[in-house]
Amino acid sequence: GPKVLQIPSHQIIDMGQMVTLNCDPVSNHLYFYWYKQILGQQMEFLVNFYNGKVMEKSKLFKDQFSVERPDGSYFTLKIQPTALEDSAVYFCASSLGGPSYEQYFGPGTRLTVL
Amino acid sequence: GQQVQQSPASLVLQEGENAELQCNFSSTATQLQWFYQSPGGSLVSLLSNPSGTKHTGRLTSTTVTKERRSSLHISSSQTTDSGTYLCAIDPSGGNYKPTFGKGTSLVVHP
Repeated sequence: GPKVLQIPSHQIIDMGQMVTLNCDPVSNHLYFYWYKQILGQQMEFLVNFYNGKVMEKSKLFKDQFSVERPDGSYFTLKIQPTALEDSAVYFCASSLGGPSYEQYFGPGTRLTVL
Repeated sequence: GQQVQQSPASLVLQEGENAELQCNFSSTATQLQWFYQSPGGSLVSLLSNPSGTKHTGRLTSTTVTKERRSSLHISSSQTTDSGTYLCAIDPSGGNYKPTFGKGTSLVVHP
């Protein structure tokens, strides 16, 4: 079936550095999402993105976070600067239509901030 | 904010038994989705069911909107059903901003 890829699978960085998480969504999908899951805790919504714009974001989507999808390439989540509490697995998803459509998830990027 | 309670927290079955998972939420949901998270962490959308009953394969979801509850029934469980089942509610009616429950961890023994 359709696949969403995430690069890298693991990233270890020092607190205060910048990190960019990359998502390669399903090719004809129009809606994109990022979710965060701290180890052993529940999944949390971060942001959804459509037509070049953030449609909705949660309170976890701090000012240090930004998303973009330049020229239809990767959908990226940038964190600058990173903090210890940003350590988590970040899942990207995409859907053809709006959120009521089936979302396809990537395998996640495990981010460790030291 | 929106509260989502899932029960039971964990469930252990023998292969072939049925599972009944519950999701209760604190305010009106315009979107309700069930997801499966594998032991390895990857996620799969199972059903979107804000009201009524929906079937797909061995899964049946029933949502009673005015009672703010939804159930996910898994019939004839298989070992490959083992994992965590997440319920997510979006009350907004506009843009998507879901709240997830903590999940039900299902283990199916052969």
